[in-house]
Amino acid sequence: DTGVSQNPRHKITKRGQNVTFRCDPISEHNRLYWYRQTLGQGPEFLTYFQNEAQLEKSRLLSDRFSAERPKGSFSTLEIQRTEQGDSAMYLCASSPYLGAEETQYFGPGTRLLVL
Amino acid sequence: DQQVKQNSPSLSVQEGRISILNCDYTNSMFDYFLWYKKYPAEGPTFLISISSIKDKNEDGRFTVFLNKSAKHLSLHIVPSQPGDSAVYFCAASLYAGNMLTFGGGTRLMVKP
Repeated sequence: DTGVSQNPRHKITKRGQNVTFRCDPISEHNRLYWYRQTLGQGPEFLTYFQNEAQLEKSRLLSDRFSAERPKGSFSTLEIQRTEQGDSAMYLCASSPYLGAEETQYFGPGTRLLVL
Repeated sequence: DQQVKQNSPSLSVQEGRISILNCDYTNSMFDYFLWYKKYPAEGPTFLISISSIKDKNEDGRFTVFLNKSAKHLSLHIVPSQPGDSAVYFCAASLYAGNMLTFGGGTRLMVKP
């Protein structure tokens, strides 16, 4: 399977705990995106990388959220001091960044439940 | 302010008929538009896209129409099949490769 992969697929945590999600993009895709989707809504953009550079992070929901892509391959999204409102599906996407008519391909998501 | 809107939360059609899903946007700077399909517990799957220099793009049973003056796009599925039953999202970006702004989705049910 050469698609975008995300781990874990499900995460249950207690309020106040830190969680980290991993995303492995499609091989050779140099752009990687994180989105969050809550029930009944469309995905909401959080941040994205081109190779290891984080190009946009102003949409991260609070300073409890951070993302890294240290070697320009996989990425991690960390949420510190989780709150019940963080419960959502966290989606990762990648694209080859070829220029015109570019498509983002999504992974299966990580569903987070904060108790 | 919701920049991309899908005003119909659900749509039901008979197998073999046409499904038409609609999407409106407010930001005239959007340059690239995509449709995704999503099944429960899965990530969105890319269906079809269109850039603002075109008004129509076709791929098999799926056709996307773009009306820039009306800031409106639509997805036509002909003929509809039961396996098409899913939630459909339209998305827009300022340019290809930029962040996507999604609509709220339309749930399509295709009845056998």
